[in-house]
Amino acid sequence: GQQVMQIPQYQHVQEGEDFTTYCNSSTTLSNIQWYKQRPGGHPVFLIQLVKSGEVKKQKRLTFQFGEAKKNSSLHITATQTTDVGTYFCADTSNTGKLIFGQGTTLQVKP
Amino acid sequence: GAVVSQHPSRVICKSGTSVKIECRSLDFQATTMFWYRQFPKQSLMLMATSNEGSKATYEQGVEKDKFLINHASLTLSTLTVTSAHPEDSSFYICSANEGTDTQYFGPGTRLTVL
Repeated sequence: GQQVMQIPQYQHVQEGEDFTTYCNSSTTLSNIQWYKQRPGGHPVFLIQLVKSGEVKKQKRLTFQFGEAKKNSSLHITATQTTDVGTYFCADTSNTGKLIFGQGTTLQVKP
Repeated sequence: GAVVSQHPSRVICKSGTSVKIECRSLDFQATTMFWYRQFPKQSLMLMATSNEGSKATYEQGVEKDKFLINHASLTLSTLTVTSAHPEDSSFYICSANEGTDTQYFGPGTRLTVL
């Protein structure tokens, strides 16, 4: 079945540094969604990317969808301690199911 | 925004007992609900997809007789873990959508089987 690979698995940064997580697929992604899960919490929807080459911004977060729709990235500028959590990408299949990447856990040292 | 609730948030049970988890969409009608389980430090694994009034569709490797899903109305789906064993201990999360691509997740239920 389709797999969505996400790297890195863990990232420790100093507060103020930037952070990027990457999602890759060997097959074309339908749409890509990004979620954030705080420790002990549940996934919270951040954004959906639909178009090839699409770039969307939410304050310090920048989301990109690759031109071939086989990869996506989430970049956080100047991380803060509130950014701590696990970030998941997910492919929205045509059946409505979400296929999640493994997630990237971000730790921010104050 | 759309809100999904789950009950209970935590449950501890003895091995061999059954546990029912409820998932409700509070302010919208959910055409489809999804059930996931998540082990510590791992990703979400889809267990089954449930549509109101029809049988759930289970993912490969998920035992339908062990994880009973009932989607009785457009706002309620239940997952019953039957004859629970310690290896069933996990974080169970439901999600719901209202016909769009966006899924709204419940807060999750942490099940511990002794």
